[in-house]
Amino acid sequence: EPEVTQTPSHQVTQMGQEVILRCVPISNHLYFYWYRQILGQKVEFLVSFYNNEISEKSEIFDDQFSVERPDGSNFTLKIRSTKLEDSAMYFCASRGTSGRREQYFGPGTRLTVT
Amino acid sequence: DQQVKQNSPSLSVQEGRISILNCDYTNSMFDYFLWYKKYPAEGPTFLISISSIKDKNEDGRFTVFLNKSAKHLSLHIVPSQPGDSAVYFCAASEGSNYQLIWGAGTKLIIKP
Repeated sequence: EPEVTQTPSHQVTQMGQEVILRCVPISNHLYFYWYRQILGQKVEFLVSFYNNEISEKSEIFDDQFSVERPDGSNFTLKIRSTKLEDSAMYFCASRGTSGRREQYFGPGTRLTVT
Repeated sequence: DQQVKQNSPSLSVQEGRISILNCDYTNSMFDYFLWYKKYPAEGPTFLISISSIKDKNEDGRFTVFLNKSAKHLSLHIVPSQPGDSAVYFCAASEGSNYQLIWGAGTKLIIKP
């Protein structure tokens, strides 16, 4: 069964450093998402991406964040200058055709900013 | 602004019995609802969904009920199995805004 994959599983970085989190969505999916979950809190929407552009973003997704689909398979989230409060689990998700709204999630990347 | 609420942080159920997980929402524009299951250190796994034009959807042991007038949905698991022990999240989406708005989750514990 096709699945969303994410790398790395755990990333430790120092405050102020840039990080790139990588995702490979399900191959025939058209919609891509990033969510995050700070320990003990709700899952929060960051950004959605369709047709090579951002379709929606939350207040969390400020100028420090960017997304890219550099080729036909990868979907990346970049944080330019990490802050302590960026420490969280980051989940990538993808969705197929517009008729179905189920999003399928990867296993997540645990980002720890020290 | 909690648009999706799961008021029970945890629920303990005997194996073989019915598990009922509840979810309330405040945004009347939500028109699609989903349940996800999550194990520690894994991503959420999609379980079952329901459109607002329906009041029930069933898939094997899982049934979701939607009461639009009460802005309430529930997930029934029958019979409950040990492997069902996980955190269950309710999520909702609104029309063209396909982002998912999440509840806080309910930890389900199935006792042998």
